[in-house]
Amino acid sequence: AQTVTQSQPEMSVQEAETVTLSCTYDTSESDYYLFWYKQPPSRQMILVIRQEAYKQQNATENRFSVNFQKAAKSFSLKISDSQLGDAAMYFCAYIRDMRFGAGTRLTVKP
Amino acid sequence: NAGVTQTPKFRILKIGQSMTLQCTQDMNHNYMYWYRQDPGMGLKLIYYSVGAGITDKGEVPNGYNVSRSTTEDFPLRLELAAPSQTSVYFCASTTGRATSQETQYFGPGTRLLVL
Repeated sequence: AQTVTQSQPEMSVQEAETVTLSCTYDTSESDYYLFWYKQPPSRQMILVIRQEAYKQQNATENRFSVNFQKAAKSFSLKISDSQLGDAAMYFCAYIRDMRFGAGTRLTVKP
Repeated sequence: NAGVTQTPKFRILKIGQSMTLQCTQDMNHNYMYWYRQDPGMGLKLIYYSVGAGITDKGEVPNGYNVSRSTTEDFPLRLELAAPSQTSVYFCASTTGRATSQETQYFGPGTRLLVL
C-alpha cells in the first residue's frame, strides 16, 4: 500500500519569511497526482497546489510552490512571504488511492 | 451553489447507537468520498462512490455502510457506534476520475463523539 509521510509535525515561520514543508511518499506507479491541502481551524479542507507526476516542471501558485523530486519520491511545499493567514494544518495527499499524510501544523509569528 | 453540505455538525452517541451522517452536493459530481480524520492525523478514506448505485470500500470501511441512490446524496451509516469511531468525518466530491487531478470539494465536516 502506498504511504505518505510528513516528518514535521509542527513548523514555525516568521511573518514575511519562507518556510518549506516536507512530504515523501511510496509508490510503484508512474502516473499519479500529488496535492497539498490546507486545513485552517474551521476544519475546511482547501486545495493549495497540485502536481502531475508526468510533469517535470514544479507547480507554482502565487506564493506557493513545490519541489517535486520524482525519483526520490519527495514533494515539498514552499511558502514564500508567509502571512498570518497561512497558519493552518497542511496535508500532503497522494491522489491515486486518496492517501493523506498525518499533517504539519504551521504557525506564523508576527 | 452550496457545494458540499454535511449534517449534523456535531453529535454525541452512546456506544451501540446508530446514526446516519448526511452528505449532499449540488455540483452534479459523479464521485463522492467519505473520510475520517482522527486527532492529529491525516484523512483516511472510508468509502467512495463513482456514481449512483455504485460504492466501494476505502482504507478503513469496517463499522460503516454507505449507499448512493442519487447523484446528490451519499449518506454514511454507523450501525453500532464504538468509541474507536470518535472522529471528524469529511465528505468530498469530484467531477472526474478518483485518480485524476480533479479537485476534491470538501464539506465542513461532522464531529462525532462516541461515549
